[in-house]
Amino acid sequence: SQTIHQWPATLVQPVGSPLSLECTVEGTSNPNLYWYRQAAGRGLQLLFYSVGIGQISSEVPQNLSASRPQDRQFILSSKKLLLSDSGFYLCAWSVSETQYFGPGTRLLVL
Amino acid sequence: EDQVTQSPEALRLQEGESSSLNCSYTVSGLRGLFWYRQDPGKGPEFLFTLYSAGEEKEKERLKATLTKKESFLHITAPKPEDSATYLCAVHPDQGGSEKLVFGKGTKLTVNP
Repeated sequence: SQTIHQWPATLVQPVGSPLSLECTVEGTSNPNLYWYRQAAGRGLQLLFYSVGIGQISSEVPQNLSASRPQDRQFILSSKKLLLSDSGFYLCAWSVSETQYFGPGTRLLVL
Repeated sequence: EDQVTQSPEALRLQEGESSSLNCSYTVSGLRGLFWYRQDPGKGPEFLFTLYSAGEEKEKERLKATLTKKESFLHITAPKPEDSATYLCAVHPDQGGSEKLVFGKGTKLTVNP
């Protein structure tokens, strides 16, 4: 069966520091991969998605970036965090219409 | 613009008291509608995918239905463990885009 992992589970970072969140998927090949952010009182917001290695589509212009160095690995990065980057970050995968989510990373920028 | 509106924002039920959650959507074309359950501090857990008007799917105490403008999540004889936030999302038919549009969710509390 398929499994999706995210780490770390929780992260507290100072403003201006770099960020790297990692997501890996097991048990499937060539998945579509997604990064979402969920802020309190708002719906899930799609940040990036990838249909293959090195192929990244950005949905929201911001100081975040994404990379897909391997088929089942998706990384969310920032060179300098802003206060507004705080939130709950979710990775998801799909091979058809349905997207399946990981456990999430809670990021607090102070 | 594609939109998803969920109502009510919050719902309190007594154990065994059946009810329905609503998801109204506006899209140019629908590739699929999805229901998820989300517990506090966790990622959304997939429940159902619906593709066309008239379609229904069931899982334990939950049944999802779909019309051309809205979807309902019916909860029959709920238990306290059904307490969670229920999210609705649509996949608009937009030339290959993989973007889902999510509603803000309905927070369900079931009291024993």
